[in-house]
Amino acid sequence: DAGVTQSPTHLIKTRGQQVTLRCSPISGHKSVSWYQQVLGQGPQFIFQYYEKEERGRGNFPDRFSARQFPNYSSELNVNALLLGDSALYLCASKLGVGNEQFFGPGTRLTVL
Amino acid sequence: GENVEQHPSTLSVQEGDSAVIKCTYSDSASNYFPWYKQELGKGPQLIIDIRSNVGEKKDQRIAVTLNKTAKHFSLHITETQPEDSAVYFCAASRVTGGGNKLTFGTGTQLKVEL
Repeated sequence: DAGVTQSPTHLIKTRGQQVTLRCSPISGHKSVSWYQQVLGQGPQFIFQYYEKEERGRGNFPDRFSARQFPNYSSELNVNALLLGDSALYLCASKLGVGNEQFFGPGTRLTVL
Repeated sequence: GENVEQHPSTLSVQEGDSAVIKCTYSDSASNYFPWYKQELGKGPQLIIDIRSNVGEKKDQRIAVTLNKTAKHFSLHITETQPEDSAVYFCAASRVTGGGNKLTFGTGTQLKVEL
């Protein structure tokens, strides 16, 4: 079975631009979470969606938004990019609300 | 909110030795504690987890222990091999009907030397 997939793999943007990152969960998984991992640190929680509803939001500004589609895939949008948004963005999926989370390979975002 | 501290930040062991990584958490309501292994250029891989109603869990060379009273949990790797070299993260979560966000530690760079 395919694991969590994310696209694109790498992305380079300039300050002020907007970016959309995509995630497809493991088949059958209905919950998707997004995390930001800055180099040398642990992942930081951004959003969690379950059955297309937001179930949690981390301490990130309103420039960050997300949504989950009927097929359970998800998009993370970041507006007005800052240099500090440069990071690895990870998507994790899980079967239900309280089960194990499995991570994708991430999207490496570089903001110049 | 939850805060997770992880030690050591780097750990170097000889092949065949054991490795221990320790984490403490602050929220007594946390009830789920996974450990992830992250290799260079990859996403974190779940290697073992433990729930608060269990004190110890073992899977081949990997074991995790949990002390709810002291609010700390540890990862034990026995008979280490070069392929165990990676960054290991602990995490804590309160699993509720509303979901569960993982709060991660800062990671431990494990190096297994030949």
